[in-house]
Amino acid sequence: NAGVTQTPKFRILKIGQSMTLQCAQDMNHNYMYWYRQDPGMGLKLIYYSVGAGITDKGEVPNGYNVSRSTTEDFPLRLELAAPSQTSVYFCASSQAGGYYEQYFGPGTRLTVT
Amino acid sequence: GQQVMQIPQYQHVQEGEDFTTYCNSSTTLSNIQWYKQRPGGHPVFLIQLVKSGEVKKQKRLTFQFGEAKKNSSLHITATQTTDVGTYFCACHSGGGADGLTFGKGTHLIIQP
Repeated sequence: NAGVTQTPKFRILKIGQSMTLQCAQDMNHNYMYWYRQDPGMGLKLIYYSVGAGITDKGEVPNGYNVSRSTTEDFPLRLELAAPSQTSVYFCASSQAGGYYEQYFGPGTRLTVT
Repeated sequence: GQQVMQIPQYQHVQEGEDFTTYCNSSTTLSNIQWYKQRPGGHPVFLIQLVKSGEVKKQKRLTFQFGEAKKNSSLHITATQTTDVGTYFCACHSGGGADGLTFGKGTHLIIQP
């Protein structure tokens, strides 16, 4: 099993550009999450999904969008990138909600200049 | 939703010394999970505690959940260079969100 995979690993965006961060998992997990981690800080939840077709906002959803058309994939869309979105983005999945361990992908390091 | 505070933010130790990080909440927690993130890496699950007063051990690591389920600790005995990283506690988010809320982490720096 590959676990949770993320692409790209690194990306530099100019202010105002858009991009999609890809995330896939092969563990048949229902729950998937997107977090951002600023330097030296903890993880902040952006969006999460409890199954295909169902998504919900986390703590910091502004400036982002998600979709979940399949169990495996959970892409994160950045529209009109801003310097404040410079961060490391982690995707994670779990069998169910907050009482189950989360499996994290390797992360995408995004810089907006 | 639930929130957890971690202290200290940074801890420098000599190799071989012990290390402890604390996770505190003002409200009763339903669970605590601990994760480790190596420099440049991603968080990796270590353990979950759910019972009042629960103590679990993994080799040199000891995890405790307080009797009131408002605090937790992770203790590492005789640190090694492989223990370097950031240790996060996380709890069930609550408030209608079925996920985890993470503390800001304790960065463990080990001097050989």
